[in-house]
Amino acid sequence: NAGVTQTPKFQVLKTGQSMTLQCAQDMNHEYMSWYRQDPGMGLRLIHYSVGAGITDQGEVPNGYNVSRSTTEDFPLRLLSAAPSQTSVYFCASSYGTGILGNEQFFGPGTRLTVL
Amino acid sequence: KQEVTQIPAALSVPEGENLVLNCSFTDSAIYNLQWFRQDPGKGLTSLLLIQSSQREQTSGRLNASLDKSSGRSTLYIAASQPGDSATYLCAPESSNTGKLIFGQGTTLQVKP
Repeated sequence: NAGVTQTPKFQVLKTGQSMTLQCAQDMNHEYMSWYRQDPGMGLRLIHYSVGAGITDQGEVPNGYNVSRSTTEDFPLRLLSAAPSQTSVYFCASSYGTGILGNEQFFGPGTRLTVL
Repeated sequence: KQEVTQIPAALSVPEGENLVLNCSFTDSAIYNLQWFRQDPGKGLTSLLLIQSSQREQTSGRLNASLDKSSGRSTLYIAASQPGDSATYLCAPESSNTGKLIFGQGTTLQVKP
């Protein structure tokens, strides 16, 4: 299994440009999520999905869109990039959440710089 | 709102020492707590997951304990090695929201 994969590894954008960060998992996990990691702020949840066709907002959703058309893929779209979106983005997946105590698996991250 | 604090923020020890990393959280309504390791420029790797009904979990030289009522977890690393150098993050999963809340992490350096 490849686990959780993310592309691209690095990206530089100009303010106002749009792009999609890709995330895929081959573990048949229902739960997928996107985090951003910033110095001094830790990891913060952007959006998450509990299954194909179902998405919801996390702690910092503004400026980002998601969709979940398949179990495997969970892309994150930046609609109009801003310098404040310069960050490292991580995708994660698990079988589910809650009392089953499901382990979260993380991708290697995408390092995004917005000029 | 759940707040997670990890102390110390950074730690430097000589090889071979046993050490303890601390994690405290303000809301005891959790399903579980997970410890992760993050190497510089890399993603997070899950080390241990403790369910709320458990007191501890062990994996090799790592032992994690959980005291849900007092809002504390510790990660014990035995006989530390230079390869243990990394940032260690704890993340309780809220039973109210089903979401992980991360601490800022403890950056560990083990010197040969």
